[in-house]
Amino acid sequence: QVQLQESGPGLVKPSGTLSLTCAVSGDSLSGDNWWSWVRQPPGEGLQWIGEIYRSGSTNCNPSLKSRVTFSLDKSKKQFSLNLISVTAADTAVYYCARWTSYKSPNHYYMDVWGKGTSVTVSS
Amino acid sequence: QSVLTQPPSVSGAPGQSVTISCTGGTSNIGAGNDVHWYQQLPGTAPKPLIYGYINRPSGVPDRFSGSKSGTSASLAITGLQAEDEGDYYCQSFDSSLSGWVFGGGTKLTVL
Repeated sequence: QVQLQESGPGLVKPSGTLSLTCAVSGDSLSGDNWWSWVRQPPGEGLQWIGEIYRSGSTNCNPSLKSRVTFSLDKSKKQFSLNLISVTAADTAVYYCARWTSYKSPNHYYMDVWGKGTSVTVSS
Repeated sequence: QSVLTQPPSVSGAPGQSVTISCTGGTSNIGAGNDVHWYQQLPGTAPKPLIYGYINRPSGVPDRFSGSKSGTSASLAITGLQAEDEGDYYCQSFDSSLSGWVFGGGTKLTVL
């Protein structure tokens, strides 16, 4: 059974960098999956941030592209999100999720989600 | 304001049926891009409910079903149960925005 667990600081100062890691159990990160981040501001809906593939290829929400980087470490079985120049608008619960292929080519859905980690941007 | 429009709330009594709509456009649902539905129960992470318009992941009851017509998709829930209360989100790929988008979410209340 695949499980994902987010970790990282719960409080980040404005203009600082938000760094989160998602630890993966039950998957080698070597299969046909994309590894993704989604966030949810307090009381609001879901926002797709982006994802990374085993090859290192990435996709990113155009509204965040200038501030976001993704990385993946198969040896440590984890993937990460870095978001720079944060503001209060980046305050949210951040989820990591796995995209799984259900039909070739290029048909995926988010089948496994972490429990989420809350990040507040405040001085 | 999402490019996928959902009603903010729906409600129904136990045993009844409800439908949640997800209205998009020609750059997402109307373009034939995938539509997925997720259920988020209070205080928990989203969980996949329907993928590829009509498919249910293993373990999801057949009370939940999805459909598509033109530039809209729908999630139908029959035999409402108290534990169905929560938020429901549709998701699709938008070719104009070059990215995945979620609907604004619909809060289901079981009366």
